[in-house]
Amino acid sequence: KNQVEQSPQSLIILEGKNCTLQCNYTVSPFSNLRWYKQDTGRGPVSLTIMTFSENTKSNGRYTATLDADTKQSSLHITASQLSDSASYICVVLSGGSQGNLIFGKGTKLSVKP
Amino acid sequence: DAGVTQSPTHLIKTRGQQVTLRCSPKSGHDTVSWYQQALGQGPQFIFQYYEEEERQRGNFPDRFSGHQFPNYSSELNVNALLLGDSALYLCASSLDSLSYEQYFGPGTRLTVT
Repeated sequence: KNQVEQSPQSLIILEGKNCTLQCNYTVSPFSNLRWYKQDTGRGPVSLTIMTFSENTKSNGRYTATLDADTKQSSLHITASQLSDSASYICVVLSGGSQGNLIFGKGTKLSVKP
Repeated sequence: DAGVTQSPTHLIKTRGQQVTLRCSPKSGHDTVSWYQQALGQGPQFIFQYYEEEERQRGNFPDRFSGHQFPNYSSELNVNALLLGDSALYLCASSLDSLSYEQYFGPGTRLTVT
């Protein structure tokens, strides 16, 4: 069964600190992996998209890694800001003629002053 | 360049009623996907429209139906509303392939009482 699991479910950190969010997937065939940021009550906003051949991709203070062998991805946030408080959702696109987007449940990050 | 827009922002309906939600895709996009997101959960895929036809469908009952117009805008209709239909409904647009990045709208918050 195609699944995307994220950990931790929630996380509280102090402003200025770094943090890493995890994503494990069992999706086959694999096409690409995306990380989205979703503010409460708003639509998700794309942070990164990574294909099979990409190991690392950065977007400002956000750095995503992908290990296609172990089927794991991480999102590292550097020097966190209050505005980073949001849910971060890992999404995997399965391959094939009718690919499907499989969403994780997200990690809720709270950045405190 | 306008992004994905959705209307209305919020909606309150009574059990058994019918509701129509609307979405205008990002300029240049021809594919629209609809998602249901319950509180604290990741988005669940409802269906996708391309060239005015439903191309893919998730595990949702026939009470959920949709339409895409020649200008690529789309509607989501839900009949015989249940309390469990209360959720954030997200619309996402993309080029003709899930390999391309999806852009999400702000969502419509539906509350069924």
